[in-house]
Amino acid sequence: GAVVSQHPSWVICKSGTSVKIECRSLDFQATTMFWYRQFPKQSLMLMATSNEGSKATYEQGVEKDKFLINHASLTLSTLTVTSAHPEDSSFYICSAPLTGYGYTFGSGTRLTVV
Amino acid sequence: KNEVEQSPQNLTAQEGEFITINCSYSVGISALHWLQQHPGGGIVSLFMLSSGKKKHGRLIATINIQEKHSSLHITASHPRDSAVYICAARGNQFYFGTGTSLTVIP
Repeated sequence: GAVVSQHPSWVICKSGTSVKIECRSLDFQATTMFWYRQFPKQSLMLMATSNEGSKATYEQGVEKDKFLINHASLTLSTLTVTSAHPEDSSFYICSAPLTGYGYTFGSGTRLTVV
Repeated sequence: KNEVEQSPQNLTAQEGEFITINCSYSVGISALHWLQQHPGGGIVSLFMLSSGKKKHGRLIATINIQEKHSSLHITASHPRDSAVYICAARGNQFYFGTGTSLTVIP
């Protein structure tokens, strides 16, 4: 079935560095990718929507320059957390819509900034 | 008030029990999703509903569009069902419930 492969599954980085998270669609083309963030004990929160070949749409309150999203191909969308700080520590997950079948989710990336 | 409300927030059940998780939403939707999030964080999409009822193994999901309410049922619950179950309403965007943490005790 259609799967989104998300990497890495977990990452620890130093404050001030940048971290890239990749979501690849396997066996299907993802023209749209949703990026979510989840803080402990809280619900998933939509951060941005990326569309292949165009600029991502960010939700209110999400810093575009901090969370860089690139969707350069139909099978790859990336989220780069730039100049990461401890408050960026969270669980990040991507999701792609499937025509007629709902959505498929990546397995998530747990980011810890120390 | 959240657009999507789930209940209960926490649920502990004995193995074999029938479990029901409820979801109410206040927005217009095109579909409602039930998601399962495991302790490691990974999320699995269980159901997408726009009307009626769907069944997959021991899991059953129902939706009442008029009442803006959906339920997720687990029959013959098992410890491996222990997870957080999230209701997500798809309107102009996704609206997520805060989840129901289920623990099934052997």
